[in-house]
Amino acid sequence: KNEVEQSPQNLTAQEGEFITINCSYSVGISALHWLQQHPGGGIVSLFMLSSGKKKHGRLIATINIQEKHSSLHITASHPRDSAVYICAVVPNFGNEKLTFGTGTRLTIIP
Amino acid sequence: IAGITQAPTSQILAAGRRMTLRCTQDMRHNAMYWYRQDLGLGLRLIHYSNTAGTTGKGEVPDGYSVSRANTDDFPLTLASAVPSQTSVYFCASSPDRQSALHFGNGTRLTVT
Repeated sequence: KNEVEQSPQNLTAQEGEFITINCSYSVGISALHWLQQHPGGGIVSLFMLSSGKKKHGRLIATINIQEKHSSLHITASHPRDSAVYICAVVPNFGNEKLTFGTGTRLTIIP
Repeated sequence: IAGITQAPTSQILAAGRRMTLRCTQDMRHNAMYWYRQDLGLGLRLIHYSNTAGTTGKGEVPDGYSVSRANTDDFPLTLASAVPSQTSVYFCASSPDRQSALHFGNGTRLTVT
């Protein structure tokens, strides 16, 4: 079982819809990352958080450490939000290296 | 150079050949990483370096080697390429292990 599970694996929505992508993990962590990968491959860091909530423009990331769960929300979705969204955690034991989920492919239809 | 630069962008390589993937950053970040990305498996760490002069093995290090002679450069070498090393390779850096990552644009490698 992967230490980091994302759901859904694929998500298609209409432009303007509110989007939620979930990430659950099974280990204790010191931080969690949300990354965005557009078609063509470039990966961009969206958020790094260890508690609470962060907001940047139309993107909101939340984390519940006790429940080992994080969500990425997109408000007023737009076709340019179409990408793969990747969750990654920093375990608080061992060598503290990132463990990645397999990503959620989001497609926003105009 | 702005951020992280990887070269080449793509490469087709015959099995058994030696290949070095280049990664250079101009942000003076201490930590650098090499990942491979394969369909359905997500990103997996190959090797890392917490600071110049030090390196460590990641999740899938076999068949790969790295060096970190200075802060800016972190090359990844395949000594004798095999088809299972066909993948997209990403170099990343961060100021330290607890900071956000900056990624290069990736190198698409095909080993035939």
